[in-house]
Amino acid sequence: DAKTTQPPSMDCAEGRAANLPCNHSTISGNEYVYWYRQIHSQGPQYIIHGLKNNETNEMASLIITEDRKSSTLILPHATLRDTAVYYCIDSRGLTSGSRLTFGEGTQLTVNP
Amino acid sequence: DGGITQSPKYLFRKEGQNVTLSCEQNLNHDAMYWYRQDPGQGLRLIYYSQIVNDFQKGDIAEGYSVSREKKESFPLTVTSAQKNPTAFYLCASSITWGSYEQYFGPGTRLTVT
Repeated sequence: DAKTTQPPSMDCAEGRAANLPCNHSTISGNEYVYWYRQIHSQGPQYIIHGLKNNETNEMASLIITEDRKSSTLILPHATLRDTAVYYCIDSRGLTSGSRLTFGEGTQLTVNP
Repeated sequence: DGGITQSPKYLFRKEGQNVTLSCEQNLNHDAMYWYRQDPGQGLRLIYYSQIVNDFQKGDIAEGYSVSREKKESFPLTVTSAQKNPTAFYLCASSITWGSYEQYFGPGTRLTVT
């Protein structure tokens, strides 16, 4: 089961940065934080993951607090196509069978 | 372009008929997965394959069957034994089994009437 909490919805203006928070206060030392998103009627899309250092790729940046109890996904210049449900999950170790389990996620709406 | 393809995008069948959903990947990934997603729900794992010629039941395998004869292909058959087959079916792959970095296809929306 997902052990993360996210706000149910957020709005962002097109071209501005979207900062999506996630609390994962029960995360253990060897568990990664993963972010996915799902645009309506499409398959989920992997975005980024991290353990304790901040990470950046072509899609987004991931900022993880020093105590690892929360993180923020940053979309630096949101576009209308970034409107989606964003899911933050923590891994349960390689013995869990790779089952991806999404919680409620955050519905991000990017407005023109 | 590397990726995962699923076909068809929409599929309609009569109750009592078996139907096979296609999933192909050219990412050279060892592991492949089938998930089911119902409206407003999360993902549920149907079957997974760690490597070619191997597959294992997931959490809701009853009424489904799979094969993994080629590394690139992992077709899912929805049999007439599946009591509620209408759903959005998603295929995914990862470099190795055990990875949460999974890449998904566009999905097949199956409607059985």
